[in-house]
Amino acid sequence: ETGVTQSPTHLIKTRGQQVTLRCSSQSGHNTVSWYQQALGQGPQFIFQYYREEENGRGNFPPRFSGLQFPNYSSELNVNALELDDSALYLCASSLKAGGPSTDTQYFGPGTRLTVL
Amino acid sequence: QQPVQSPQAVILREGEDAVINCSSSKALYSVHWYRQKHGEAPVFLMILLKGGEQKGHEKISASFNEKKQQSSLYLTASQLSYSGTYFCGTDELQGGSEKLVFGKGTKLTVNP
Repeated sequence: ETGVTQSPTHLIKTRGQQVTLRCSSQSGHNTVSWYQQALGQGPQFIFQYYREEENGRGNFPPRFSGLQFPNYSSELNVNALELDDSALYLCASSLKAGGPSTDTQYFGPGTRLTVL
Repeated sequence: QQPVQSPQAVILREGEDAVINCSSSKALYSVHWYRQKHGEAPVFLMILLKGGEQKGHEKISASFNEKKQQSSLYLTASQLSYSGTYFCGTDELQGGSEKLVFGKGTKLTVNP
């Protein structure tokens, strides 16, 4: 148990639709990162938020966006869904600002998104 | 640049040892190790920092060779609970902020 929760557990959408995934971080963790994990692959960094501001972004298009709220919850929004967006989406919270180099990331159980 | 893990998969009997390797083409400041069981979230195992500091809390050890840009995870006297996919993550600076880049994983199966 990492204290990080995500909802929903599973989601099925059709191509072109929009989706919002939610994450609740550990209390006191000001940093949240979102990852996309395709089948058989390692997690790929989407972006990170620190105190409600985007603090770094991976190689994902602008249709992937996020929000972080003061109550340690956050959202990942994906517009204009494509078939390749089908994956497990993980959020991870951590204590320190900005840098994962020395900081443990606590992952949530993920949301399995299927795009048809 | 994604770190390269080897082997891709390993099958052990309970009590046997295993080594999982992680190498990068870039200079590393830290290496993170996580284990993920099927259908579950990755779970933190340890962080190895440049300069030799190691942070972890499980009965698993690891090494970090900064010159070779490599890390190895040592699983001794494996237990059934060690089964899962092991990922190493290396830090990368992008756009002024750091991110973790994960390898493709090593699937470990421990049989009775």
